Amino acid sequence: IAGITQAPTSQILAAGRRMTLRCTQDMRHNAMYWYRQDLGLGLRLIHYSNTAGTTGKGEVPDGYSVSRANTDDFPLTLASAVPSQTSVYFCASSDLAEGTDTQYFGPGTRLTVL
Amino acid sequence: GQNIDQPTEMTATEGAIVQINCTYQTSGFNGLFWYQQHAGEAPTFLSYNVLDGLEEKGRFSSFLSRSKGYSYLLLKELQMKDSASYLCAVMDSNYQLIWGAGTKLIIKP
Repeated sequence: IAGITQAPTSQILAAGRRMTLRCTQDMRHNAMYWYRQDLGLGLRLIHYSNTAGTTGKGEVPDGYSVSRANTDDFPLTLASAVPSQTSVYFCASSDLAEGTDTQYFGPGTRLTVL
Repeated sequence: GQNIDQPTEMTATEGAIVQINCTYQTSGFNGLFWYQQHAGEAPTFLSYNVLDGLEEKGRFSSFLSRSKGYSYLLLKELQMKDSASYLCAVMDSNYQLIWGAGTKLIIKP
């Protein structure tokens, strides 16, 4: 069982380019999340999905979009990357039926926008 | 606004005990989580508290006081592999996690 996988591991991107970060989980969790982590700041929620077919905005959604066509996949798209989107991006998932709603994280994607 | 405070960095000695504090002010409370994050890796779940009191899990314990908006993570018999950042997070009334910036724990031999 892989848990959560993310691709790519790292990427250097020119400003203005479009980029999709991939996230796949095999735990059949209903909820999935995208966070960014920047030095000195806590993890910040970008978008989330409580179930396939639905998505919601987190704390910092601007410049990002997501889709949830099925239970396993939750891609994050940067339509036109800007340098302020340089960050480490983590995907997470949780089982909302489980009492604590504990989130489990993928290995992360390190993105640099030049 | 919502706020989670924890020390930026702490240093401790191998074999000793260290307590990492976390105070929070959030809109609602649906549980407090502690995660461990080694440099360059993903956060991994350590503990969950929703009721007041102490939860013990091997060398790690976590305490919660909801009336004081306060939690701590206690690490006993420190090992070099415990060098990591420890993240405190609170689930608010919307069931979203609000994260602290993390405490970097440095273990010295």
